[in-house]
Amino acid sequence: DSGVTQTPKHLITATGQRVTLRCSPRSGDLSVYWYQQSLDQGLQFLIQYYNGEERAKGNILERFSAQQFPDLHSELNLSSLELGDSALYFCASSVGLAGDPNEQFFGPGTRLTVL
Amino acid sequence: GENVEQHPSTLSVQEGDSAVIKCTYSDSASNYFPWYKQELGKGPQLIIDIRSNVGEKKDQRIAVTLNKTAKHFSLHITETQPEDSAVYFCAASPTTTSGTYKYIFGTGTRLKVLA
Repeated sequence: DSGVTQTPKHLITATGQRVTLRCSPRSGDLSVYWYQQSLDQGLQFLIQYYNGEERAKGNILERFSAQQFPDLHSELNLSSLELGDSALYFCASSVGLAGDPNEQFFGPGTRLTVL
Repeated sequence: GENVEQHPSTLSVQEGDSAVIKCTYSDSASNYFPWYKQELGKGPQLIIDIRSNVGEKKDQRIAVTLNKTAKHFSLHITETQPEDSAVYFCAASPTTTSGTYKYIFGTGTRLKVLA
């Protein structure tokens, strides 16, 4: 158990809908990262937040957005869903000291299925 | 752009044999190289990492080597066991323009250890 929690575990929805994925980082970790893992593919970095502020962006679609709240939990919002958005979405957290890479601890993921 | 190539995509070895997975990165500013193991239905878990000021690191049956000049790093697993069967991901961590860092993951290697 990494200490990172994600809810829900599974999510099934229809095209055009909007969903929210939630992540609680490990106690004491200030950075949260979101990744997308499509079938048989690697982990694609989406976005990073550090202590409530966006710090880095990857290949995140405009239909996707995220935020990190004062209690450090984070939410990833996916809107106007398309079939191709079906994937595993992972959240990771780290201590997040700028300039010094730290181990990222991954949550169990949310499996999103868009029908 | 930033890229990490990982080979092979699948690897089958007999129990007790060694397994080697290789990665090549493109961003010379990368200074941290973690390796993650992902078991079915779970999030990735760090198994070993190496920083750019070190050429080799070992932890029991697992070792990682880094060649900064060639931008290569490799994972070596000796005396493989059936429980080593999983997908392994390498990653490189370049510094972002905001002064933080992100992981660029390889596409993964599915390792099967045959009993």
